Amino acid sequence: QVTLKESGPGILQPSQTLSLTCTLSGFSVSTYGMGVGWIRQPSGKGLEWLANIYWDDDNAYNPSLKSRLSISMDTSKNQAFLQITNVDTADTATYYCARMDRQLGYHFDYWGQGVMVTVSS
Amino acid sequence: DVQMTQSPYNLAASPGESVSISCKASKSISKYLAWYQQKPGKANKLLIYDGSTLHSGIPSRFGGSRSGTDFTLTIKSLEPEDFGLYYCQQHNEYPFTFGSGTKLEIK
Repeated sequence: QVTLKESGPGILQPSQTLSLTCTLSGFSVSTYGMGVGWIRQPSGKGLEWLANIYWDDDNAYNPSLKSRLSISMDTSKNQAFLQITNVDTADTATYYCARMDRQLGYHFDYWGQGVMVTVSS
Repeated sequence: DVQMTQSPYNLAASPGESVSISCKASKSISKYLAWYQQKPGKANKLLIYDGSTLHSGIPSRFGGSRSGTDFTLTIKSLEPEDFGLYYCQQHNEYPFTFGSGTKLEIK
């Protein structure tokens, strides 16, 4: 059974760095074709794709945020990570991680339930 | 970036009815469009990818179609569990982009 679970700090202050973890189960991020993406959703608003990382350590970023994003993974722990630097209130959102099997296409076939992050002074 | 224009914003229907949700891409994305269902407290669920391919375990009352840059999600014979939010996503090119969502409510 494929599951993904996000974890994060809950609340942080403007200008800090947001660090998020996605713990994977039921598949290995190091398996050929596998990828993990991060998507966020401000309360009551739509979905915004942030970044992807793939089994071969290739990655992709949304150009609108690229300068502030860093995606990585730890294959030994089967986890993926996202850092967002210099956060402000506009980064307040629910953050999701989701699986992508690039052999099937660039869609997200399994999602975590999301973690809420609030940026507030 | 590819802009995804999704409509309608809200949709009210009764169980047993059929509904359609549309998504229009600002440029060609070939067949590469996915549909997701979002419900409170649950993980987002992939319904359809590549425009019309049903994801594993998704009931056949869900269907997807394409005409050029216009895509449609059709749900036939609505079940109570089908009510929620629906999003489209183009998966043809980076950055991946989503539609603004459609809220399907019980009439």
